[in-house]
Amino acid sequence: SQQGEEDPQALSIQEGENATMNCSYKTSINNLQWYRQNSGRGLVHLILIRSNEREKHSGRLRVTLDTSKKSSSLLITASRAADTASYFCATVGVNDYKLSFGAGTTVTVRA
Amino acid sequence: GAVVSQHPSRVICKSGTSVKIECRSLDFQATTMFWYRQFPKQSLMLMATSNEGSKATYEQGVEKDKFLINHASLTLSTLTVTSAHPEDSSFYICSASGTVNTDTQYFGPGTRLTVL
Repeated sequence: SQQGEEDPQALSIQEGENATMNCSYKTSINNLQWYRQNSGRGLVHLILIRSNEREKHSGRLRVTLDTSKKSSSLLITASRAADTASYFCATVGVNDYKLSFGAGTTVTVRA
Repeated sequence: GAVVSQHPSRVICKSGTSVKIECRSLDFQATTMFWYRQFPKQSLMLMATSNEGSKATYEQGVEKDKFLINHASLTLSTLTVTSAHPEDSSFYICSASGTVNTDTQYFGPGTRLTVL
C-alpha cells in the first residue's frame, strides 16, 4: 500500500537553482529510498538512507531523514535541465522487503 | 551492472485478448521480481511479488486469475494480462532484486499497454 506522501506535487525552478522536495510516511521503516522517473520510462535508483542514518550525499543530491517526524527530504543542488523528471520516495518496512511509494514530485528545470 | 529489460515496450491490443509482458534481468540472477502498475501522473502500485520457482504473492485487490505471473527462471518473469479490457490500460513496470531481502530493486523501463 502507498504510505508516503510527497510535497510539493510539482516544482518549477530555473537552471542552477536548488530543488527541495519532502516525503512523509506513516509507519516505522528499515530504510527510505529515492527514485527518479523520466516521462514514460522506468525508475532509476538515486539513493538509499537507513533508519539509523540522518543524512546522505551522492553527487549533487542530499537526503535527510528524521525518523521522529517520519519525514525525509531530497535536495538537488545546482539543478540542470536534465534533472527534469518525477521524483519518488519509497519506504521499506521494518520486517519487510517491499517498496511502498509516495505520490511523487514532478520537477521541471527551466533552461 | 544490474540491468533489467522489459518486452515489449509498447503494446496495443483488442479487448478480450491476452497480452504477455516479459521482464528479464540481464546481468544478475533475480531471486525476486516485482510487478507494478502505474496510472498517468500517479505513483507505482505493487501488484505482486514473485520468487523464482514458486507462486506469486498478490497484493490485496489484484486478481490473480486476471494477472498471471510466472517466474520460471532466475532471469525471467512474465506477466500475462488475460482477457484484457480498456480499464487494464496502464504502464506496467517490473523490478528485480538479487536476494529475497535485498534493499535495492532494479527497475525495467516499463511497458505501456493500451487496450482498445
